[in-house]
Amino acid sequence: QVQLKETGPDLVQLTQTLSITCTVSGFSLTTYNVHWVRQPPGKGLEWMGAMWNGGGTDYNSAFKSRLSISRDTSKSQVFLKMNSLQTDDTAKYFCARHYYDGYPYFDYWGQGVMVTVSS
Amino acid sequence: DIQMTQSPASLSASLGETVTIECLASEDIYDILAWYQQKPGKSPQLLIYDASSLHTGVPSRFSGSGSGTQYSLKINSLQPEDFASYYCQNGLSAPLTFGSGTKLEIK
Repeated sequence: QVQLKETGPDLVQLTQTLSITCTVSGFSLTTYNVHWVRQPPGKGLEWMGAMWNGGGTDYNSAFKSRLSISRDTSKSQVFLKMNSLQTDDTAKYFCARHYYDGYPYFDYWGQGVMVTVSS
Repeated sequence: DIQMTQSPASLSASLGETVTIECLASEDIYDILAWYQQKPGKSPQLLIYDASSLHTGVPSRFSGSGSGTQYSLKINSLQPEDFASYYCQNGLSAPLTFGSGTKLEIK
């Protein structure tokens, strides 16, 4: 069955770099796109960016040049890397699958990883 | 960026009632809109896509409607498992944007 699972640190120091891995199963990264969405505690959802099935990427300009998304198809993994972390980057980070071959809706989500940025 | 204004922010209703949640886009999004349900501590679940198409496995008491800039999610005959937060999402153009959410609570 389709699954996505995020793994990453619970705590990151101010100004440091966040690295999260999304490991997927039940589908291929060369067929489906995978997106990253985050949610600060008690707040709403924010789209961060996408890894397209062809290998390209798209980013929310709100993250300027801080954000990088990559993948390893042989391991069925998508990676999020974001530098210069601030306290308002404290959030739960989700990876989500793009509903097949259509508009960017998300039909499967990981359980998320809660990341706290500490000073 | 397309702004999604969702209302109300919170809603209190009783079991068996019907409720409607609204989402207003800052420009025409041509029905390219999704609705999600999120329970505390869980990831969002897709309910509706393309403004009115019910995702697989979603109960028929959920329905979506609207066009242009105005969209709504209707839940008929509220069940205990429906008390959660709901979000709309623009799928037309990047950056993909979400409404600020509606928290549906039991009265």
